[in-house]
Amino acid sequence: NAGVTQTPKFRVLKTGQSMTLLCAQDMNHEYMYWYRQDPGMGLRLIHYSVGEGTTAKGEVPDGYNVSRLKKQNFLLGLESAAPSQTSVYFCASSYWTSGDTGELFFGEGSRLTVL
Amino acid sequence: LAKTTQPISMDSYEGQEVNITCSHNNIATNDYITWYQQFPSQGPRFIIQGYKTKVTNEVASLFIPADRKSSTLSLPRVSLSDTAVYYCLVGDSGPAGNKLTFGGGTRVLVKP
Repeated sequence: NAGVTQTPKFRVLKTGQSMTLLCAQDMNHEYMYWYRQDPGMGLRLIHYSVGEGTTAKGEVPDGYNVSRLKKQNFLLGLESAAPSQTSVYFCASSYWTSGDTGELFFGEGSRLTVL
Repeated sequence: LAKTTQPISMDSYEGQEVNITCSHNNIATNDYITWYQQFPSQGPRFIIQGYKTKVTNEVASLFIPADRKSSTLSLPRVSLSDTAVYYCLVGDSGPAGNKLTFGGGTRVLVKP
């Protein structure tokens, strides 16, 4: 049981390049989330999904796109990377219950540097 | 959207009890309160969750007053390994589902 797996774990991009971060979970969770965390700061929600085929915007969605074509995968895309997107990206998943905030299970993070 | 406010940091010593209070004035009727712990270079991990009154597990206690506008995480007899950032999280069960946003967290430093 791997839990939440993020790939890649490290990546260096040049300004303007594109890339996709993959998050995979094997817990059959409905909800999946992408967060970013800048040095010394808290986590900020980028996008999230409440089920296969659905996505919704979080606090800081600009410059990112997401897709949830399969229940177990949640992809985060950067179409034209900017230095301001240098950060550590965390994916999380949880089961859904009404009102009750299901426990979030986090991946190990993906460290992205944009030069 | 329920927002949370926590102290930025607090120091303690080994063996002491640490209490971290989180303010969430706009908590919704059905929202639960959850606390997470994060070590450097790791994703946060679940500590405890509650709705009202008191919840206790093997690592912490959570105290929630009747008005639910705040909550207090209590870590008994901390050790050096409890040095971490602690986040209070309140679920926002809006039309788009559970939009879970973190606050700034509280950086706890446990000294020998």
